[in-house]
Amino acid sequence: DGGITQSPKYLFRKEGQNVTLSCEQNLNHDAMYWYRQDPGQGLRLIYYSQIVNDFQKGDIAEGYSVSREKKESFPLTVTSAQKNPTAFYLCASRAPMNTEAFFGQGTRLTVV
Amino acid sequence: KNQVEQSPQSLIILEGKNCTLQCNYTVSPFSNLRWYKQDTGRGPVSLTIMTFSENTKSNGRYTATLDADTKQSSLHITASQLSDSASYICVVRTKAAGNKLTFGGGTRVLVKP
Repeated sequence: DGGITQSPKYLFRKEGQNVTLSCEQNLNHDAMYWYRQDPGQGLRLIYYSQIVNDFQKGDIAEGYSVSREKKESFPLTVTSAQKNPTAFYLCASRAPMNTEAFFGQGTRLTVV
Repeated sequence: KNQVEQSPQSLIILEGKNCTLQCNYTVSPFSNLRWYKQDTGRGPVSLTIMTFSENTKSNGRYTATLDADTKQSSLHITASQLSDSASYICVVRTKAAGNKLTFGGGTRVLVKP
């Protein structure tokens, strides 16, 4: 089945550790996005990539890093510099000329 | 500043009843508006899309309206079912460079039997 897959579903991290969230899609979409969702707030854009080997900062990129070495994959690293990393993280992809973003099932990150 | 405001933040309705969710936006220039349904702990799924020239669009028991002059949209749920319990998110896309999406904070709907 075509789709966008995030893993893991739940992730626990100790303070001061880096952690990487996986996002894979087999929809052949060029554009991929990472959002953060906090309770009662709209999704906020962390990073996005319009094409392989290129990515741009979103509205809240500080403390995060990404890579886009393959079209199918857009991993997000939450670094120790992110002061409040506990949140629900959503990855999305979109085809050219298509306005609909398809979302993964999300990863809930908790700092313990 | 581009913003999307949704109301109410949450509501509880009895199964079988109707409800209407509101979305006001200041995004400009406007491209389109989507309503997404997000079940708890899951990713959002698109329900309907509204472009500038469309006033009403239905998807089963969901009916969306758009007033581009007043920059308001609504999502009406008819004959609610328990499976309608979810968050409903209004998302507006701009025509500006990057086709940026602006998300509302969502309305959490709880349908009780």
